[in-house]
Amino acid sequence: GAVVSQHPSRVICKSGTSVKIECRSLDFQATTMFWYRQFPKQSLMLMATSNEGSKATYEQGVEKDKFLINHASLTLSTLTVTSAHPEDSSFYICSASKTGGKEKLFFGSGTQLSVL
Amino acid sequence: GQNIDQPTEMTATEGAIVQINCTYQTSGFNGLFWYQQHAGEAPTFLSYNVLDGLEEKGRFSSFLSRSKGYSYLLLKELQMKDSASYLCAVTNSNFNKFYFGSGTKLNVKP
Repeated sequence: GAVVSQHPSRVICKSGTSVKIECRSLDFQATTMFWYRQFPKQSLMLMATSNEGSKATYEQGVEKDKFLINHASLTLSTLTVTSAHPEDSSFYICSASKTGGKEKLFFGSGTQLSVL
Repeated sequence: GQNIDQPTEMTATEGAIVQINCTYQTSGFNGLFWYQQHAGEAPTFLSYNVLDGLEEKGRFSSFLSRSKGYSYLLLKELQMKDSASYLCAVTNSNFNKFYFGSGTKLNVKP
């Protein structure tokens, strides 16, 4: 199989602080990783596509200066929510694509961010 | 762009069969996925269809019609633990984009 590890699983922070979320592919190299955001009772909204060694591609309406993505190696992508505000509170999930097999996309366990 | 539609919520009885539909309009289509997601958890892979037809895996089956932009997930012999959200997602020709539908919340009642 393929395992994607995401940390932290839960974070509570004060408004104005920055929060970094890590996403690691543990047993495969992930050229491409994806960051999703999910509000309660809603589906996954693609925020950005992260490619190793290049700038992330952001979906329309997602502020790149607000959500900084770094994909410095083939096994690690990070999402930093800068100057977090209560409206940034959400469930953030990363995923990594892997060729071969049917599954294609492997998810981290998600990070529940609560901004006070 | 892409447009993926699913019913918002469905209710079915334990032991019964339920079909969850998904329609899509997208460019560069290269397959449709179904995932199960429990609240607060990551999605779990159920199926991937790229060719027309039905694929069966245990109690779950998935169908795809590329010409109609239509798929369904069929759940047989429903169990209480099947209560969850079911998401369909499509990918493009390079597998570098995955877009999700809004999800269908399935309630299984005794």
